Amino acid sequence: DARVTQTPRHKVTEMGQEVTMRCQPILGHNTVFWYRQTMMQGLELLAYFRNRAPLDDSGMPKDRFSAEMPDATLATLKIQPSEPRDSAVYFCASVSGQGLSGNTIYFGEGSWLTVV
Amino acid sequence: QKEVEQDPGPLSVPEGAIVSLNCTYSNSAFQYFMWYRQYSRKGPELLMYTYSSGNKEDGRFTAQVDKSSKYISLFIRDSQPSDSATYLCAMRQLMNTGFQKLVFGTGTRLLVSP
Repeated sequence: DARVTQTPRHKVTEMGQEVTMRCQPILGHNTVFWYRQTMMQGLELLAYFRNRAPLDDSGMPKDRFSAEMPDATLATLKIQPSEPRDSAVYFCASVSGQGLSGNTIYFGEGSWLTVV
Repeated sequence: QKEVEQDPGPLSVPEGAIVSLNCTYSNSAFQYFMWYRQYSRKGPELLMYTYSSGNKEDGRFTAQVDKSSKYISLFIRDSQPSDSATYLCAMRQLMNTGFQKLVFGTGTRLLVSP
């Protein structure tokens, strides 16, 4: 059963600490997304990779957030330094091709981040 | 104003009721319309996908798109307690750069009581 795997599932950290979230997309999927979900804003796109190259990260606060794909099986989202307002659920999603014509975008189960 | 508006609910209905979930949007360039279901503490999963105006049916679910009014709906017939979840509408636009812009509503929480 192919699925997107995210780690950690839950993280509580102190303000100012570095947080790294990892994602293993479904094997063969060449397009990877990072989303952040909060009650107020819903799902917001942070970054978008195709074939490991960043295509759009305009939704990501550049001063503290960074996203990379070191290889085709790993995407990372890093926050340094973390702030309480970063508390949210961070989802990774992947899809094959460009995701057009109804190709299903598969979401992971999320990394639940709490910054105190 | 957000590009996609969705009532957060919660919407509480008894088992067997017909449920209507709705979203409005402002961007006429949206081409694809989707409904995702998200169970508590899980990621969203695609429920239905439509491209054109009109209705699309899949079992107890019907997705309806009205591009002229910029309004989409999801109907659930004979609702079941297992349908209790948050339902997110999503809309996709293909940009000139080849980038897919996917915008989600904030989600409507549905509670179906036995």
